[in-house]
Order: sequence, then structure tokens, then C-alpha cells
Amino acid sequence: AQTVTQSQPEMSVQEAETVTLSCTYDTSESDYYLFWYKQPPSRQMILVIRQEAYKQQNATENRFSVNFQKAAKSFSLKISDSQLGDAAMYFCAYRSQETSGSRLTFGEGTQLTVNP
Amino acid sequence: ETGVTQTPRHLVMGMTNKKSLKCEQHLGHNAMYWYKQSAKKPLELMFVYSLEERVENNSVPSRFSPECPNSSHLFLHLHTLQPEDSALYLCASSQDRVGPTNEKLFFGSGTQLSVL
Repeated sequence: AQTVTQSQPEMSVQEAETVTLSCTYDTSESDYYLFWYKQPPSRQMILVIRQEAYKQQNATENRFSVNFQKAAKSFSLKISDSQLGDAAMYFCAYRSQETSGSRLTFGEGTQLTVNP
Repeated sequence: ETGVTQTPRHLVMGMTNKKSLKCEQHLGHNAMYWYKQSAKKPLELMFVYSLEERVENNSVPSRFSPECPNSSHLFLHLHTLQPEDSALYLCASSQDRVGPTNEKLFFGSGTQLSVL
């Protein structure tokens, strides 16, 4: 079974600075999908960014980018020019290519605080 | 993004009560999910309904009973719960396809459940 580990329960960053959230996963599969979801105080989980394992190029979405290291099974999220609205719980998630649909395995989450 | 609505937002119940959580999606998706979110633990997938048929039940206790009358509505019926069942229950939906997909999940804002 796949597992996802986020080793940083809490992180903080100054507004306008850059922060990197770590995620590692364990799998024996060669093809899969990885996601970062954000959960603000409103509690609604929102997709931040996603990466297909077969793509070597790191995904980017505006101020959000990932560092995908397939051999190391690492999938970190970099937030540039941090804003107060980025404060939230961030979850890393894995989806196997061998199962259809959208069943995700999540990490424990990292609580990000943005200081003004 | 919105489109998945959960009610009630908060629920307090005794161990002998029977209650139901409701989820409705307005996105035309064909799959719906129940996740349990406990503090400092990864989200746990409880139930998956794809095309209104339950396709996965991750050994959830029978005191949790899901119902999916159509592709837009999902219920979680609760009875004789335990205090350790207190958690945030999140509903999600997606558009399932045959084979692998990177389709994202759309989440509701959850029901915060407290069992006394």
C-alpha cells in the first residue's frame, strides 16, 4: 500500500518570502499522480497543483511550483511571494494509476502560517 | 471553487442518537466520496460511490451507513457512535473515467461532528 509522509506539522513564513513544504511517499508503482491540496479555515479543500509521474518537468501554477524527485520519491511544494491568504493546512496526496477514479492517499498535513 | 454542499456544518450528538449527514454536488460528476479528517492524522477514505454503486468500503464500522440515491446526493447515516468518531467529515465528488486519470476532487466544507 502507498503511504504519504509530511514531516513538517507546522511551518511559518514572512509575507512576500518563499517557503517550501516537504512531502515524501512510498510506492512500488512507476506511474501515478501527485497532488497538493490547500485547506483554509473555511475547511474546503482546494487543489493547488498536480503532477503526473511520467512527466519530468515540474508543474507550476502561478506562485506555486513543485520539485518532483521521482527517484527520491519526493514531492515538495514551493510557494513564492507568500501572501496572507496562503495561510492554511496543506496536504500532499497520491493517486495510483492502477485504480480508476480519484481515490487519494493523503499525508498528515502541514499547517502554514504567514506572518505580516 | 464551490459546487459541493454539505449540511449540517456542525453536529453534536449523543452516543445513542441517530443522525444523518448530507452532501449534494452540482457539478454533474459521477462519483462521490466520504472522507474522515481527524486531528493530526491523514484523511481517511471511508466510502466511494461511482455511478451510484458503492465500489469501496475501507473496513468502516457498521455504525456508519452510506446512501447514494442518485449521482448528485450522498448521505452518511450515523447511529450509536463513539466519542472517537468525533471528526470532520468531508464529502467530495469527481468525474470518474475508465482507466487512469488526474481528475481532481472537489470537496465540500465538511461537517464537524462531536460525539458526547
